[in-house]
Amino acid sequence: QSVLTQPPSASGTPGQRVTISCSGASTNIGTNTVNWYRRLPGAAPKLLIYRDDRRPSGVPDRFSASKSGTSASLAISGLQSEDEADYYCATWDGGLSGLLFGGGTRLTVL
Amino acid sequence: QVQLVQSGTEVKTPGASVKVSCKASGYSFGMYGIGWVRQAPGQGLEWLGWIAPYNGNTNYTQHLQDRVTMTTDTSTSTAYMELRSLKSDDTAVYFCARRIASTGPTSPWFDPWGQGTLLIVSS
Repeated sequence: QSVLTQPPSASGTPGQRVTISCSGASTNIGTNTVNWYRRLPGAAPKLLIYRDDRRPSGVPDRFSASKSGTSASLAISGLQSEDEADYYCATWDGGLSGLLFGGGTRLTVL
Repeated sequence: QVQLVQSGTEVKTPGASVKVSCKASGYSFGMYGIGWVRQAPGQGLEWLGWIAPYNGNTNYTQHLQDRVTMTTDTSTSTAYMELRSLKSDDTAVYFCARRIASTGPTSPWFDPWGQGTLLIVSS
């Protein structure tokens, strides 16, 4: 079981807005920034969000993220079928001195 | 463009060692670290560690640090991850990724990632 807790699944219909949560602790999310990755089936993970809420160039503004206290969340608006993927949060944990990934959330577009 | 290309599928028996390569191109290799992450079947992503090519400094996840070694060859812009005393639990896809860090209490991020190397450990 991951130290960073994500819901195992999420779903939405095309055009909808969905959010994925990532819950941690004071030693990780509460202290350090959060990054988000997406892994499409059969592909390598891709960076979606870095430093809590920043989008790399090329990532559509449909993707946004925020953080409050020891929790973070990723929001995807205007859901598209190609958004079906596994989404992971990640952050450094000062107590464990290691990089943590959340357990991942599988997003299904209905 | 920035690209990381990894070596191909490996099939090993328990107790053996494996060395996965990751060749970088499109950027100054010494300017960024290289991280390694794996994903076992049906599991999530697991951080293994990272290395700074310019000085060879490494940081490994605690539970693997007695079995893993990360190195780089700056002359060929290639990073390597060696895992020893393989167990069936090591069966996974192994990814390398360029590590980007900034000052302050920020978590480093990985961008881009290699295509992945499948390691199968089976007798």
